[in-house]
Amino acid sequence: GQQVMQIPQYQHVQEGEDFTTYCNSSTTLSNIQWYKQRPGGHPVFLIQLVKSGEVKKQKRLTFQFGEAKKNSSLHITATQTTDVGTYFCAGFNAGGTSYGKLTFGQGTILTVHP
Amino acid sequence: GAGVSQSPSNKVTEKGKDVELRCDPISGHTALYWYRQSLGQGLEFLIYFQGNSAPDKSGLPSDRFSAERTGGSVSTLTIQRTQQEDSAVYLCASSQVTGGQPQHFGDGTRLSIL
Repeated sequence: GQQVMQIPQYQHVQEGEDFTTYCNSSTTLSNIQWYKQRPGGHPVFLIQLVKSGEVKKQKRLTFQFGEAKKNSSLHITATQTTDVGTYFCAGFNAGGTSYGKLTFGQGTILTVHP
Repeated sequence: GAGVSQSPSNKVTEKGKDVELRCDPISGHTALYWYRQSLGQGLEFLIYFQGNSAPDKSGLPSDRFSAERTGGSVSTLTIQRTQQEDSAVYLCASSQVTGGQPQHFGDGTRLSIL
């Protein structure tokens, strides 16, 4: 079945440094989504990318979808302590065997040292 | 309420007992998912309901786990003869009918098996 791999598993940065997490799918995706889970909380939807090569920005966050629609990245510029949490990507393949089902990556745990 | 509601928020039980976890999705959301998350780990997919289709049970770890969704709304996840390794946070999420739509998560049920 479809697999979504996410790296790195952990990332520790000093406040002000940049951070990037990468997501790779075993199959071409119809869309990819990103979620953030704060410590002790539940995952919260951030954004969805649909088009090949799409780039979207939310303040200091930049999301990219690869040309082949099999990989994606989330980049945070100048991290702040409020960025702490786990970032998950989730891929959707409309041609998959289980319609509508998202496949989550393993997540990247980000810690930010002040 | 406006969000996904899960109950109980915490459950402590003895090994060997059965437990039932409840999820009340957002009104109008036909897709419902159950995930399990151990401390510091990613989201482990358990089961997916989409409308009247047969559920995708491919993530259920053993036959001690089962889930049902009555009337296309509320869902119950049942764990029979609980084991200590079942201790985790069980998260429910729902989304709109179209495939690959963003998921809205509940706050989860923290299950502790003594």
